[in-house]
Amino acid sequence: QKEVEQNSGPLSVPEGAIASLNCTYSDRGSQSFFWYRQYSGKSPELIMSIYSNGDKEDGRFTAQLNKASQYVSLLIRDSQPSDSATYLCAVIAGGTSYGKLTFGQGTILTVHP
Amino acid sequence: GAGVSQSPSNKVTEKGKDVELRCDPISGHTALYWYRQRLGQGLEFLIYFQGNSAPDKSGLPSDRFSAERTGESVSTLTIQRTQQEDSAVYLCASSYRTSSGGEQYFGPGTRLTVT
Repeated sequence: QKEVEQNSGPLSVPEGAIASLNCTYSDRGSQSFFWYRQYSGKSPELIMSIYSNGDKEDGRFTAQLNKASQYVSLLIRDSQPSDSATYLCAVIAGGTSYGKLTFGQGTILTVHP
Repeated sequence: GAGVSQSPSNKVTEKGKDVELRCDPISGHTALYWYRQRLGQGLEFLIYFQGNSAPDKSGLPSDRFSAERTGESVSTLTIQRTQQEDSAVYLCASSYRTSSGGEQYFGPGTRLTVT
């Protein structure tokens, strides 16, 4: 079982729609969760962090965390073609992890006009 | 302010040669991480620095890989006797917080190609 799993996609949504990206993790002791966006040929860019159960909103982005279900999601409202990228879910495991990130394989999102 | 910087941006080397990759973290960030991303694959953790010590080297794939950091600044990742499977993008990230799980900011990466 992979430690962090994401739907590989690709996920295709029309411009203006809501894109929903999902991630599950195996370490129940994980405490810190992140979403990164990675454009082709570029490095990951941090877009959201979430540490507590519930929702966290930042502009068009909403991260949702449910530790009981070991599930974290990212919603992108009013999707734009510029949102087309690979979205990476990353988790810091519990215990002595020294803050190292464990990444999912990423979900490719395409927003078409 | 300035972000994480890495050099060189691209490196082509012959199999068997040694390479050095450099990372300059965000000023004030005490934690520094190296990751590797092979083509079409996910990011793999290599090594973590807190200051100039490396409490977690568990991701280094072989003893051909080593890294050091000067104080709370520049880090160098060295790969000796490079192999074709070392071809990847090497990414450096820095963070203000450490084991509690601070946000990590990535540099642009060094694309290493071993021919």
